[in-house]
Formats: sequence, structure tokens, C-alpha cells
Amino acid sequence: GNSVTQMEGPVTLSEEAFLTINCTYTATGYPSLFWYVQYPGEGLQLLLKATKADDKGSNKGFEATYRKETTSFHLEKGSVQVSDSAVYFCALTKGTGGFKTIFGAGTRLFVKA
Amino acid sequence: GAGVSQTPSNKVTEKGKYVELRCDPISGHTALYWYRQSLGQGPEFLIYFQGTGAADDSGLPNDRFFAVRPEGSVSTLKIQRTERGDSAVYLCASSPDAGELFFGEGSRLTVL
Repeated sequence: GNSVTQMEGPVTLSEEAFLTINCTYTATGYPSLFWYVQYPGEGLQLLLKATKADDKGSNKGFEATYRKETTSFHLEKGSVQVSDSAVYFCALTKGTGGFKTIFGAGTRLFVKA
Repeated sequence: GAGVSQTPSNKVTEKGKYVELRCDPISGHTALYWYRQSLGQGPEFLIYFQGTGAADDSGLPNDRFFAVRPEGSVSTLKIQRTERGDSAVYLCASSPDAGELFFGEGSRLTVL
């Protein structure tokens, strides 16, 4: 079946450090890929998405490129801020006769000032 | 309201009791999803509606769990004979096109 695997956290970085959170997926065909973020005390919200191979999703300085050859969708940001502290979830949507979205386990990011 | 609304935000119940959780999606969104999230885990898919019908209920863990969406808008997740293992945050999300999901803040269920 379809699945998403992302790196375990927590990830602790200093402000302005470079961030990478790895995500790989297993799916038949061509899923759409997403990163969702959950800030403390808030609900999940979409951060970025990519719907086909080689697409790059970007938002708020975060980027992720849909790599079909490596079945990956790694999240990157060049310079993190304290306000980026949150839990990040990689997800995919793929279905025959439906659009079930599957989530990874989440990676908690702490950014220190 | 502008977003997905879930009630109650917190529910404490005793083992064996019946529980209903309600989700009011964003107006006009045809797709509605229920997920369950345990501490430190990602959202676990339960069921997905397209309009009034359940398009995929493969995530419901057993026959104690049931969900309805009779008029294609508000949905209710029903849990019979609750068990301590049912304790989790139950998330509802809606979508205009089964792509991006818009989540509510969840209903935290505690079964004593």
C-alpha cells in the first residue's frame, strides 16, 4: 500500500541554520505530495505541495522538489527562524476511486535563538 | 465560520460509553475526511466522504466506529462501546477538490 516515511525528530537548530527534513514515499503511479505544518496550539495547515515529478513547491522560504527517481520530497529552508518551530508532516494523495491522503509520523523542529 | 469547526473540543468519557464527534466543514467543500492522531504520531486516516457517500472507509478500525454525512455538509463520527485505546485527537478536514486539506483543531477524546 501507499506509505510515507520521514526522518525522526526532534530536530534542534540554531536560528539562521539550514534545514533539511527527509521524506520518502511508496506509491503506485503518480501521487501528489504535500508538506503540512502544525504550529504549537494550532491545527494542521498546508505548507506547500507538488503534483507531478520535478515540480518544486515553495512557501514561506521552504522548498521541496518532487523526485520520482528517488521517490523523495525533502523539505528545505536556507535560514530557519524561531517562529518555524513546529511539527512538519509529509503526506501523499493517491487513490483509485478516491483521494485518501496518507501522512508520515511527523518531525518536530525546535529552533533556538 | 470561515474554517472547519469541530465539537466538542474535549470529551472525557468512561469505558463502554457512546460518543459522537461533530465536524462542520468549510461551506462548499465537497470532500470531508476524518483522521485520528495519537501523541507523537501522524494523522491516521479513518474515512473520506465525497458528498453524502463514504468514498473510502478503509481506515475505520472496527465496527464500533461509524460516520455519517447525511446532507453532504456536517459529519458526525460515532464511536460505540468506547475503549481506552480510542483515546486520541480526532481530526476533521475538508477540501474543495480532494487535494489540499483544511483541518479543524480537533476533538480530544479521553476514555477513562
